[in-house]
Amino acid sequence: DGGITQSPKYLFRKEGQNVTLSCEQNLNHDAMYWYRQDPGQGLRLIYYSQIVNDFQKGDIAEGYSVSREKKESFPLTVTSAQKNPTAFYLCASSVPRTPPEKLFFGSGTQLSVL
Amino acid sequence: DQQVKQNSPSLSVQEGRISILNCDYTNSMFDYFLWYKKYPAEGPTFLISISSIKDKNEDGRFTVFLNKSAKHLSLHIVPSQPGDSAVYFCAARPSGNTPLVFGKGTRLSVIA
Repeated sequence: DGGITQSPKYLFRKEGQNVTLSCEQNLNHDAMYWYRQDPGQGLRLIYYSQIVNDFQKGDIAEGYSVSREKKESFPLTVTSAQKNPTAFYLCASSVPRTPPEKLFFGSGTQLSVL
Repeated sequence: DQQVKQNSPSLSVQEGRISILNCDYTNSMFDYFLWYKKYPAEGPTFLISISSIKDKNEDGRFTVFLNKSAKHLSLHIVPSQPGDSAVYFCAARPSGNTPLVFGKGTRLSVIA
């Protein structure tokens, strides 16, 4: 059953702590994305990667870091520099340059600050 | 500045009636427009799309209309059902290799 798996579903972060959100896909998609959803703010792009070992900053990359060592995996680290990390985080993947470029989303991770 | 705008944060419609969700955009270089549906605590799911060279696309109860001169698109749901209650996001694809741009979403409530 192909899809995108995000874990954990809920995550709590203490002050000064880095936390990593997992995203794995078995859709064989080249491109992967991280979005953040806040109430009334829609989906804002944090980072994206269109190929292994390469990634680009999105609109709100400050305080976050990513890696793309494998095609299937695109973990997001929320660092202590991110002062307002409480949000719903969504990972997505797509086949780039195939119109319409549909994104397939995971079920999300809710991150809260203790 | 927001390139894709959904100016109505919420919409309530009676079951069986038509729901019309609106989206405006500023970038005339967008070549595809997509609608996504999202339930609470879940990821969005793709609903329907339209190419910029078309003015209408229909899929069952869902129809998207594109007015390029007005830089406006709308999603029509007929008839509306309680299960349609969700947040709907409009998204647009810039030309080139850049990711989709999303609007802030409209929360649709279908009342039985």
